[in-house]
Amino acid sequence: GQQLNQSPQSMFIQEGEDVSMNCTSSSIFNTWLWYKQDPGEGPVLLIALYKAGELTSNGRLTAQFGITRKDSFLNISASIPSDVGIYFCAGQLSSGTYKYIFGTGTRLKVLA
Amino acid sequence: GAVVSQHPSWVICKSGTSVKIECRSLDFQATTMFWYRQFPKQSLMLMATSNEGSKATYEQGVEKDKFLINHASLTLSTLTVTSAHPEDSSFYICSARGTASQPQHFGDGTRLSIL
Repeated sequence: GQQLNQSPQSMFIQEGEDVSMNCTSSSIFNTWLWYKQDPGEGPVLLIALYKAGELTSNGRLTAQFGITRKDSFLNISASIPSDVGIYFCAGQLSSGTYKYIFGTGTRLKVLA
Repeated sequence: GAVVSQHPSWVICKSGTSVKIECRSLDFQATTMFWYRQFPKQSLMLMATSNEGSKATYEQGVEKDKFLINHASLTLSTLTVTSAHPEDSSFYICSARGTASQPQHFGDGTRLSIL
């Protein structure tokens, strides 16, 4: 199936550090979503982006919809241990079935 | 708001058994529901998209007769894994959304283990 390129694949950081991850695609999307998934659970929506260039925050999380509509970025500021998990981006195709394509995931581990 | 409930959360059964998984939107009407499969340490792979009252659209490589999807109401979709075999063991997750412009919200997944 189709997937987005998400990087980094995994990262270990110290508590208090900022984190950045991104997704890129060769396709144009009309919506970008960012999710966090804890082990054994379904993904939880963090941020939804609907316009190219849009910058949206949710607490310590900030995400941006790339101008080209082919990429998106997620930043986490001042990380804490509970930020541990897998972060997925998802882009919604701008035509056809409007289904979502998921990124390969970024596994985040925070060292206290 | 936007709560999606998935049941059961965990099931173990013998090879050859059929298993039904339910996905319900509790506080909104889900025009569209999606069914995903996730292997350990991998991303979500879309299996099929279902719109209320119509036949599901399956992704390439997903057997329609193997994975039966029903979306009979705006709050319920079911996935039935027919004649399940060990290779069908996986984490199955549903999601639901209202209109096409709204984000999808996920259930907590069903871990299926076929012995």
